[in-house]
Parts: sequence; structure tokens; C-alpha cells
Amino acid sequence: AQTVTQSQPEMSVQEAETVTLSCTYDTSESDYYLFWYKQPPSRQMILVIRQEAYKQQNATENRFSVNFQKAAKSFSLKISDSQLGDAAMYFCASQGGSEKLVFGKGTKLTVNP
Amino acid sequence: DTGVSQNPRHKITKRGQNVTFRCDPISEHNRLYWYRQTLGQGPEFLTYFQNEAQLEKSRLLSDRFSAERPKGSFSTLEIQRTEQGDSAMYLCASSLDTLQYFGAGTRLSVL
Repeated sequence: AQTVTQSQPEMSVQEAETVTLSCTYDTSESDYYLFWYKQPPSRQMILVIRQEAYKQQNATENRFSVNFQKAAKSFSLKISDSQLGDAAMYFCASQGGSEKLVFGKGTKLTVNP
Repeated sequence: DTGVSQNPRHKITKRGQNVTFRCDPISEHNRLYWYRQTLGQGPEFLTYFQNEAQLEKSRLLSDRFSAERPKGSFSTLEIQRTEQGDSAMYLCASSLDTLQYFGAGTRLSVL
């Protein structure tokens, strides 16, 4: 069974600063994917970034990057130059042999002007 | 690409009533997923279709829940004899590969 743990229920950051959201996971799969999704208030879930477990290089997507530590089963998200529009719930998710996504409980990110 | 569409956006019903939700996936996406999200939690997987075949169901999907995807296009999720514990956001997602694209969800309130 897969599990995903997000230990930070809430985080805040000043506009233009950098913030890191933590995620740990557990899986028995040898081949799997990890994701960060963003869910703004009352809006749909949006994919932020994806990491294939077999790739050692950390994924980046503009201001978003991950720190993937496979041995430690850690998958943190770094948001650089934070913007007001980054305020949302952020969910970490894993996908193994099954097609389903397994999500953490989420981290609510507040961006202060 | 019009995105994943879910209807209705909100549904209020009385306990014991049946409700049905619809999901229209992104065209040409052969995979369709249903998730349930309760307040303060991440989405939980309910079921998954590849084309018209329902390939996986969660234990969360009790006998009161049924999902269909006729002809491999849109999907419906029906809940019979609703209970207050069914109140949640029901999310649909579709994909061609590992990337799942989500709809805005249907929020169900059972009174």
C-alpha cells in the first residue's frame, strides 16, 4: 500500500520569498511517479509538477522545483519568488503500479503581501 | 481542449434520496477516475475506468455507489439512499497516461 504524509498543515511566505513544502511517502513499488497538485479556493486541482522515480534529476517547472530524495522517500516542493496567486492548498501525491493517485492531507499556503 | 467538465457543481439532497453526477472527460482521454474529497483532507480514490471497463474500485465504494462509463465517453456516479456521511466533493479526472487532469468537482450536501 502507498501512503503520503504532509506534516505541515499550514505554511506562510512573504511575497517574492521562497518557501518549501514537505512530503514523505512510502511505497513498495519499484517504479512510481510523484506529483504536486495545487487547489486554489473553490477551484479545480491543477498539476504543478511531476517526478518520475527512476530519474535522479529533480524536476523543475519555472518557479517550482522539487527535492527528490529517493532513499529517504522525501519529495519536497520549493516555490521561488512567491506570488499572491500561489496561495492555495498544495497536495503531494504518489502513483505506483495502480493507476490511482494517493494524496496527502495537504498544506495550506498563505502568501503575504 | 475544453477540460474535464462535471455537472452539477452543487447538489443538495435529503437523506435517503438518490443522486447522480456526470463527468465529461477531455476528449480522446481513455482513462477516467472518480475521487472523493472531504473537508480538510486530500482526495481519496473511488474508482477507475479504461475506456468503458471499470478496472479498479476502492473499498470506499460501498454497494450504494455505482459508476458507469457507457461507450467509454462520459461517466456517471450514482449514490443510492444517501447518508449524511456522503457529503463531500466528488472529483473526476481523466488521462491519456500518468498525468491526471481534474474537473472542478460536484459538491454534495446531504441534509
